[in-house]
Amino acid sequence: AQSVAQPEDQVNVAEGNPLTVKCTYSVSGNPYLFWYVQYPNRGLQFLLKYITGDNLVKGSYGFEAEFNKSQTSFHLKKPSALVSDSALYFCAVRGSYSSASKIIFGSGTRLSIRP
Amino acid sequence: NAGVTQTPKFRILKIGQSMTLQCTQDMNHNYMYWYRQDPGMGLKLIYYSVGAGITDKGEVPNGYNVSRSTTEDFPLRLELAAPSQTSVYFCASSYSAHPDNEQFFGPGTRLTVL
Repeated sequence: AQSVAQPEDQVNVAEGNPLTVKCTYSVSGNPYLFWYVQYPNRGLQFLLKYITGDNLVKGSYGFEAEFNKSQTSFHLKKPSALVSDSALYFCAVRGSYSSASKIIFGSGTRLSIRP
Repeated sequence: NAGVTQTPKFRILKIGQSMTLQCTQDMNHNYMYWYRQDPGMGLKLIYYSVGAGITDKGEVPNGYNVSRSTTEDFPLRLELAAPSQTSVYFCASSYSAHPDNEQFFGPGTRLTVL
């Protein structure tokens, strides 16, 4: 069965420091991995995705994510956090054998960046 | 492009009332989805559609109905509202069902059933 875990409900980082938001997954077949961000009272917004190839994926707003097959992880990172990065972040996964319906979202991690 | 739009933004219903949540996309996407988001939880798929005239159940379809008469519109119907349906509802679309396609989300409808 497919699953995705975001082990931290909240991550607190000082502005200018690096940030990491963790995600681990379990799928059948090759994984397709996504990060979405949700700002208050808004829908989810696509940040980046891993399909194949380079394990380091770059996305919007300076975010990147590192795919680690042996650890089945896809952690979201940013070298220098901004206060405007404060939001709710969701990891999502689909397996290569998934139908249209089989995308699984994590429970979300609230990122708080203090000035 | 407006992307994915949803109406209304907020609604309060009494138990047993019915309503339709509207969703429209202008990206000519074949695939559309309805999710609900409960506090502290990820998104759960209610229904999805792979094209006009074709719909299928997701993870939590009970208490809801959908239709897809056009490519652009995918309304979600609540027939007999219950407090358990208090949630934020998101409509989404994607170009295809290929696993590498990201989904585009609407701004959501916050529904309270009292």
